[in-house]
Amino acid sequence: NAGVMQNPRHLVRRRGQEARLRCSPMKGHSHVYWYRQLPEEGLKFMVYLQKENIIDESGMPKERFSAEFPKEGPSILRIQQVVRGDSAAYFCASSLGRGQGRYEQYFGPGTRLTVT
Amino acid sequence: ELKVEQNPLFLSMQEGKNYTIYCNYSTTSDRLYWYRQDPGKSLESLFVLLSNGAVKQEGRLMASLDTKARLSTLHITAAVHDLSATYFCAAQGGGADGLTFGKGTHLIIQP
Repeated sequence: NAGVMQNPRHLVRRRGQEARLRCSPMKGHSHVYWYRQLPEEGLKFMVYLQKENIIDESGMPKERFSAEFPKEGPSILRIQQVVRGDSAAYFCASSLGRGQGRYEQYFGPGTRLTVT
Repeated sequence: ELKVEQNPLFLSMQEGKNYTIYCNYSTTSDRLYWYRQDPGKSLESLFVLLSNGAVKQEGRLMASLDTKARLSTLHITAAVHDLSATYFCAAQGGGADGLTFGKGTHLIIQP
């Protein structure tokens, strides 16, 4: 029973490049959440998606960041023109849904992005 | 806006001792979570607390929730070295589906 999968686990990008982070939710889960963890900080919510829909992007930076969760395939968090301040661990979580017994979020192993 | 504060942020303790980590949140929350994170690893779910007075225990860890005081505690009994990790509390509520995390408590348990 595979858990939440993320790849790559480590990603190094130079300033100005694009970073693409992928997240495959747990089997049967159709709700995906992205969080960012800066060094020595807690996780910060970025975006919540269901298949083909962005439900809540209140934590996403206004520029350079985008997320999608297509009908087929993994969810993608895209960061364009990366800057050093984007260096962080990015975690994906998934859940069955929102209601009772469905809301618990399970976290993936994370992608550690380093911008040089 | 929901805010979550944990204290202490750093805790060094000896094996065999008891201690408590506190988690305060600012507005009504539907659910309160406790997670453990080892260095360089993902988050492991420990407890989910839903209602006032809820208490859950697993091994040497016990979590409780007081919704009136907007306070959750994680109590460690007779600590052992294996419990060394960073512990996060997170609240979910106010109509938001995303979790709001505290800054974490970095716990070191020395023999």
